[in-house]
Amino acid sequence: GQNIDQPTEMTATEGAIVQINCTYQTSGFNGLFWYQQHAGEAPTFLSYNVLDGLEEKGRFSSFLSRSKGYSYLLLKELQMKDSASYLCAVRDLDGGSQGNLIFGKGTKLSVKP
Amino acid sequence: DAGVIQSPRHEVTEMGQEVTLRCKPISGHNSLFWYRQTMMRGLELLIYFNNNVPIDDSGMPEDRFSAKMPNASFSTLKIQPSEPRDSAVYFCASSEDGRSLPQHFGDGTRLSIL
Repeated sequence: GQNIDQPTEMTATEGAIVQINCTYQTSGFNGLFWYQQHAGEAPTFLSYNVLDGLEEKGRFSSFLSRSKGYSYLLLKELQMKDSASYLCAVRDLDGGSQGNLIFGKGTKLSVKP
Repeated sequence: DAGVIQSPRHEVTEMGQEVTLRCKPISGHNSLFWYRQTMMRGLELLIYFNNNVPIDDSGMPEDRFSAKMPNASFSTLKIQPSEPRDSAVYFCASSEDGRSLPQHFGDGTRLSIL
């Protein structure tokens, strides 16, 4: 089967660094996406990893280890506007999902002054 | 550039009524997705179209739900008859080609069935 786990909530301080973890179990892994979703708004694409390693994009970085079924999203120099839910999504070619994205339930990040 | 456009933004209706949600994908995108988001279940794929053809509708809950894509710039998701448990936020998303590329989401329709 497929399973994606993320912490439900996290709190961090403005200016700090926070790491949001995602673990997954799939049989036909074919890429991992991170999305940001502000309350009441649409998810917006942040990053994509298909090979092991770190992808950096400004203040945001995403890491993938396929052998461990593990990814994290790293947010540096936190700003108040980073308060949002962060969704981990995995593309699985096997099983019932047939290549569709399977989303985790998201991690709600609160940035405090 | 216009993003994915959904209408209505909010819909409140009584149980048993027909509900139609509309979506206009980004021009040039040939893949379209309908998702449902609830607190309990998160974001779930309902149906995926590629080049206007339904490829995977395994996420459609039951026969009360139907989706169409008559052309490359328009899709509908219909619920008939609606039930209170259908209350959720429904998102439409599109991507340039298939499921391996990032999907761009519309602002969603917040549906409440009384």
